[in-house]
Amino acid sequence: SYEVSQPPSVSVSPGQTASITCSGDKLGDKYACWYQQKPGQSPVLVIYEDNKRASGIPERFSGSNSGNTATLTIRGTQAMDEADYYCQAWDSSTVVFGGGTKLTVL
Amino acid sequence: QLQLQESGPGLVKPSETLSLTCTVSGGPISGSSYYWGWIRQPPGKGLEWIGSIYHSGSTYYNPSLKSRVTISVDTSNNQFSLKVSSVTAADTAVYYCARGSRGGEINYYMDVWGRGTTVTVSS
Repeated sequence: SYEVSQPPSVSVSPGQTASITCSGDKLGDKYACWYQQKPGQSPVLVIYEDNKRASGIPERFSGSNSGNTATLTIRGTQAMDEADYYCQAWDSSTVVFGGGTKLTVL
Repeated sequence: QLQLQESGPGLVKPSETLSLTCTVSGGPISGSSYYWGWIRQPPGKGLEWIGSIYHSGSTYYNPSLKSRVTISVDTSNNQFSLKVSSVTAADTAVYYCARGSRGGEINYYMDVWGRGTTVTVSS
């Protein structure tokens, strides 16, 4: 079965750029999307179809996908961006989630 | 504005069947090109997709859960439901329902989520 993997944690200083990666075999041949989940809340779609921002998502969030890696980039990271981020792909009629990355804004 | 709301028992005994319903408001399940799915999250862990259904009744399931899961749709009440049989403590989780969008064979994303409901499996 298809799998995608993420680093468990990423740290960033306020105002700097955070990059969260998602790796999978030929992931660039599929579409990747990203969800943000804050403690006690439901996931929120951030990026879909590799690089499209979902409704209401700030412009500092962007995405890319090429080769075996999809990347979520947050420019000018703010304290409110601290959350768990999950990548997700679709393969063989199944939804595949990454294990999630905890973004810490120090 | 589309809203999804999960409902069902918060406590289920081991070996019994877990049953949840997702009520959709603000838009119809039928006649749209969306999928309707279930996702769960065990305490302190990541997201796990359970399965999805189209208003026509066609379904997709997580292969690891397929033998125990049934998802159905009730377009007259604008609801879809989840049943998980033979539950164990490992099925304890927050269960979310969500709307899915597909763009061909390589694309699926979920843009509207319910608030989630906690289900505990315990005697």
